[in-house]
Amino acid sequence: DTGVSQDPRHKITKRGQNVTFRCDPISEHNRLYWYRQTLGQGPEFLTYFQNEAQLEKSRLLSDRFSAERPKGSFSTLEIQRTEQGDSAMYLCASSPGQGIGYFGPGTRLTVT
Amino acid sequence: GNSVTQMEGPVTLSEEAFLTINCTYTATGYPSLFWYVQYPGEGLQLLLKATKADDKGSNKGFEATYRKETTSFHLEKGSVQVSDSAVYFCALGDTGANSKLTFGKGITLSVRP
Repeated sequence: DTGVSQDPRHKITKRGQNVTFRCDPISEHNRLYWYRQTLGQGPEFLTYFQNEAQLEKSRLLSDRFSAERPKGSFSTLEIQRTEQGDSAMYLCASSPGQGIGYFGPGTRLTVT
Repeated sequence: GNSVTQMEGPVTLSEEAFLTINCTYTATGYPSLFWYVQYPGEGLQLLLKATKADDKGSNKGFEATYRKETTSFHLEKGSVQVSDSAVYFCALGDTGANSKLTFGKGITLSVRP
């Protein structure tokens, strides 16, 4: 059990560019969550997968955001046409069913 | 909807001082309650949890009791150490099938020797 990993750890991009983040959950965890954390705030829920099915999306997830978990293992979060307001830490968490979430180290996105 | 309110920070204490960090919540049903900690340069880690009223979660000398009557889950430690310096987040777990977490804003604790 190597924990939840995220890649990259840091990403700097120019406004209008597309970015994609990857999350590898703890193996055999069927639930995977994405959260966003801005400076001075707690994490906010973005979306949730059970296996490969995306079961819930927050209103925070605009149509520029898309998440996938194609084989029920790793997940990707893509942001199209990035805006400065997208600058944040993007956190991934996984859990074995209705248990607690184990968080990854996060991907820090800076949009210039 | 669900919400979590934490006391304003930051908090600075001397080593061996008593710590209380207040947390209150608003939720429908009977959510699980959590404290997460984020050490400098690290990811969020679960510190302790409680799943029903009057449950006490404890870990590493920290304790918190699920108080349904006051909708609170205050974090306490009798004697803090410099190594406890971190950001502490109170959170509640959705009672629905998704188990998503709603977090407070977090509070930064600094412990000086």
